[in-house]
Amino acid sequence: EAQVTQNPRYLITVTGKKLTVTCSQNMNHEYMSWYRQDPGLGLRQIYYSMNVEVTDKGDVPEGYKVSRKEKRNFPLILESPSPNQTSLYFCASSLFAGGTEAFFGQGTRLTVV
Amino acid sequence: GESVGLHLPTLSVQEGDNSIINCAYSNSASDYFIWYKQESGKGPQFIIDIRSNMDKRQGQRVTVLLNKTVKHLSLQIAATQPGDSAVYFCAASNTGNQFYFGTGTSLTVIP
Repeated sequence: EAQVTQNPRYLITVTGKKLTVTCSQNMNHEYMSWYRQDPGLGLRQIYYSMNVEVTDKGDVPEGYKVSRKEKRNFPLILESPSPNQTSLYFCASSLFAGGTEAFFGQGTRLTVV
Repeated sequence: GESVGLHLPTLSVQEGDNSIINCAYSNSASDYFIWYKQESGKGPQFIIDIRSNMDKRQGQRVTVLLNKTVKHLSLQIAATQPGDSAVYFCAASNTGNQFYFGTGTSLTVIP
């Protein structure tokens, strides 16, 4: 089954404790992206990747890192999480950049206390 | 950048009626637009897309209309069903790799 898998689905952590949210797709997609979703603000793009070893900042990259060492995986790293990073996070992938159907993961609800 | 907004945060329609959800964008350079549906507890799901060289595109029970002159697009859902109840987002891009989303319209279908 074609899918984008995020882990964990739920995470509660403390300020400053490094964490990684994993994202994996099984569709051989070139393009992957991370978003956060906050009430009243909609989805905002954090980082995206056009292909392996090619990443770029989205609209709200501060406090986040990403890597794309393999085509299927695109982890989101919070080196020192803060309470303002409490949010619902989504990973998405599409066949290539330039506009094709995007597939989203189920989301990761992160709470930083 | 880009600013994308939806005109109504909520919309209620009777089952069987047609629904129209509107979206406005600010960047005239935006050339690719997508509509997504998000059900409670799930990730957004692609519905339909349109490029700026078109002004209308139809899918199964859905139609997207693009008016580049006033920077507006709409999603029309024909014969709305209870399963259509969800939050609907539009997204705009001028590069194909950076996307800007609206805040969503919550559609409720009344049986």
